[in-house]
This record gives sequence, C-alpha cells and structure tokens, in this order.
Amino acid sequence: GEDVEQSLFLSVREGDSSVINCTYTDSSSTYLYWYKQEPGAGLQLLTYIFSNMDMKQDQRLTVLLNKKDKHLSLRIADTQTGDSAIYFCAESIYDYKLSFGAGTTVTVRA
Amino acid sequence: EAGVAQSPRYKIIEKRQSVAFWCNPISGHATLYWYQQILGQGPKLLIQFQNNGVVDDSQLPKDRFSAERLKGVDSTLKIQPAKLEDSAVYLCASSSTSGTQGDTQYFGPGTRLTVL
Repeated sequence: GEDVEQSLFLSVREGDSSVINCTYTDSSSTYLYWYKQEPGAGLQLLTYIFSNMDMKQDQRLTVLLNKKDKHLSLRIADTQTGDSAIYFCAESIYDYKLSFGAGTTVTVRA
Repeated sequence: EAGVAQSPRYKIIEKRQSVAFWCNPISGHATLYWYQQILGQGPKLLIQFQNNGVVDDSQLPKDRFSAERLKGVDSTLKIQPAKLEDSAVYLCASSSTSGTQGDTQYFGPGTRLTVL
C-alpha cells in the first residue's frame, strides 16, 4: 500500500476554498510536495515545504504542515474551474526519492 | 524553455510483445527519472539516472524492464515481454542538479501503455 495517504475525491463549489489533506509516514522526510495533474498531462509541481516550516503561502495556495501528526494540507482559496485536477502529495525519502500518494481528484462545480 | 518530451503518447500492444518509450529531458538536466503510474495510483519510481549512470533501479523489474541513457541526454525504457499488469502511464522527469532534496522534478506528459 501507499506510505502517503490521501482522500480520493473532493467536490467544491466555484469560489469556495478547497482543502486537500495528506498523511505521510517517514518522519525523516525533509521536503513535502504538492503536484497537480490535469487530464492527459504530466505532473506539475505546485509547491513544496521544508519540514522545519509550519506554513507556506503562495498566492492562492496555503500549505500547512503538522510534523508531530505527519499531516500535510493544501488549501486553495477562491477555487476556479481550472483547479479541477488530481492533486498528489509526495514525501522525499533519502535524498531524492519521491513517494507519492494515490491522488485526490478535485471537481469544481459551478 | 522546452519541457520534457516523451514519445509515443499512446501505445497499445498485446501481451508478450515488446515496447520501447523515449524521453528527452530538459536541456542541461543531469538527472532523469522514469516512473510508472498505474490507474488510480500515484507515480512509482522505476529508475533514476545521474548523467549516464544508474543511481537507483531497485524498483525496476529487471527480468522484463530495461532502461538506458547512453550519452547522458535522451533515455529509452523497454519492456520485453509485456504483461497485462504493465498497463500504465510511464512518466519521465528530469531535474537540474544532483537529485538532492528540494530539486524540482519536471515531468513529461507520459506514455499511456495498454497491454491486451
């Protein structure tokens, strides 16, 4: 099974905030990532956070990290139809290896 | 800057046949990765190259999968013979430094393989 776990689906109304949650297992992970995958496309890096940080904000994106609970979340403010995609949480293992969750499919409804 | 290129985009073969995928990383990127993404799952690393040397191939099923990056630029991934469970999207990614934490991995669009 996956070492990184995510809920599979999220439905959100356009204009509302989306929150995608992730739990990981490797306490030595130094970096945690969020990737976005649109249909037929590769993965696009959205943001990443270093493990000594609690929060990182980048325009509409806010990442929260609770290292004690090994919990990571991604908040998308003012969700738009273009935000409909699969979002993957990933942790880095050793120096380079990324371990991905199964992805959360976000559907934005009008 | 051109992104990671992959071809073909789609491939349908019968089981026991052979197939090869090609990847051209972003110019100047020393590190190249091949991932397998089965439907409904996240990508799983198959092999990582640093220039033309293999850094990690621990998850590569070596009885049927092979990969090479002879000149440290383009790479090919081959499956011979293919099995039904090899049906997946094969993603290539590249990064600019030594593959250490925090390096951004840039992904190509992937090759969708269907094995019948």
